[in-house]
Amino acid sequence: DAKTTQPNSMESNEEEPVHLPCNHSTISGTDYIHWYRQLPSQGPEYVIHGLTSNVNNRMASLAIAEDRKSSTLILHRATLRDAAVYYCILTSQGGSEKLVFGKGTKLTVNP
Amino acid sequence: NAGVMQNPRHLVRRRGQEARLRCSPMKGHSHVYWYRQLPEEGLKFMVYLQKENIIDESGMPKERFSAEFPKEGPSILRIQQVVRGDSAAYFCASSPSLSFYNSPLHFGNGTRLTVT
Repeated sequence: DAKTTQPNSMESNEEEPVHLPCNHSTISGTDYIHWYRQLPSQGPEYVIHGLTSNVNNRMASLAIAEDRKSSTLILHRATLRDAAVYYCILTSQGGSEKLVFGKGTKLTVNP
Repeated sequence: NAGVMQNPRHLVRRRGQEARLRCSPMKGHSHVYWYRQLPEEGLKFMVYLQKENIIDESGMPKERFSAEFPKEGPSILRIQQVVRGDSAAYFCASSPSLSFYNSPLHFGNGTRLTVT
């Protein structure tokens, strides 16, 4: 599976938008981009995923670059509850049949 | 709808004892994954099972660890003769089909194993 690169940490203020970047320059045409997050003392939680087009759901938006070599998870209005480690993961049909977690981005939300 | 249920939430074992961790997947899910998270480290894949079959155990330590997912009942991760280095959070996830690459994995809140 192709690898992803994320900043180790980011900070945001409550009520402000947050843009979490992910680089995946070796992504292949059939790779899906997934985002999960892990709140303290909890299991990972699915956030969003996409293939080529931008995606929106109740939790977040996923903006995918035209060349697909990078993507951005957008939290439109950060809350204290959004403080977590965010993981950007690639999956593909016919690839490894498991999610491979990297180190992710630790998001701190300031009140 | 109940999510992925793991029990116990906390488990304390003395060195040399056995630890049994249970995972009940979401209703209708027949694929189970186990992950381990050591303190201050990332999530590491351990094993992937379907009902009565181990599909991928490439992340399982060669000794003392085993996993099963019987036709009836929860998936069990078993650690024999535990050592202090086994202290970690163990997470289970489930999915309804092989197409997890295009659908979410649902995780439980983990079992925190402490070996004294």
